[in-house]
Amino acid sequence: GDSVTQMEGPVTLSEEAFLTINCTYTATGYPSLFWYVQYPGEGLQLLLKATKADDKGSNKGFEATYRKETTSFHLEKGSVQVSDSAVYFCALSDLVSNFGNEKLTFGTGTRLTIIP
Amino acid sequence: GAVVSQHPSWVICKSGTSVKIECRSLDFQATTMFWYRQFPKQSLMLMATSNEGSKATYEQGVEKDKFLINHASLTLSTLTVTSAHPEDSSFYICSARQRVHTEAFFGQGTRLTVV
Repeated sequence: GDSVTQMEGPVTLSEEAFLTINCTYTATGYPSLFWYVQYPGEGLQLLLKATKADDKGSNKGFEATYRKETTSFHLEKGSVQVSDSAVYFCALSDLVSNFGNEKLTFGTGTRLTIIP
Repeated sequence: GAVVSQHPSWVICKSGTSVKIECRSLDFQATTMFWYRQFPKQSLMLMATSNEGSKATYEQGVEKDKFLINHASLTLSTLTVTSAHPEDSSFYICSARQRVHTEAFFGQGTRLTVV
């Protein structure tokens, strides 16, 4: 079945550091890929997404490129801020393996803490 | 984005009792709501999908008689954990979407502890 493997945290970085959170996936069909972010006390929010190979999703300075050849969707940001401290979830939605159902398969989440 | 409110944020209950968790879409009508569960250091796992006015569809391995889901209106779905036991202690999250192929919005989650 579908699965998402995400680098384990927690990750602690200094402000303005470069961020990479690794995500790889296994899917039967051609999934859409997502990054969600959960700030303290809030629900998960869609951060960015990509729906086909070589697509790049971007938002709030974060980027991730859909790499079919390496089945990866790594999240990157060039210069993190304290306000980026949150839990980040990689996810996929595979209509083919789920018979048209748009259910999401999530990774375990990575807690990111940015220190001033 | 749209707002989904989940209540309560946390609850502690005694073993053998039932607990109800509410999920409300505050500014849109949700034709579909999803319920997830997350154990420590594990992924969010989809438990069930509910469409307004019809019975929920449960994922394999989820006991429908233990996790009762009701989606009686376009803005409210409830998850009732019946006869809760310590192994049911987990983080429960709902999400809601207005239509097929649209973004689903998430509640903030409910931390259930059964003692």
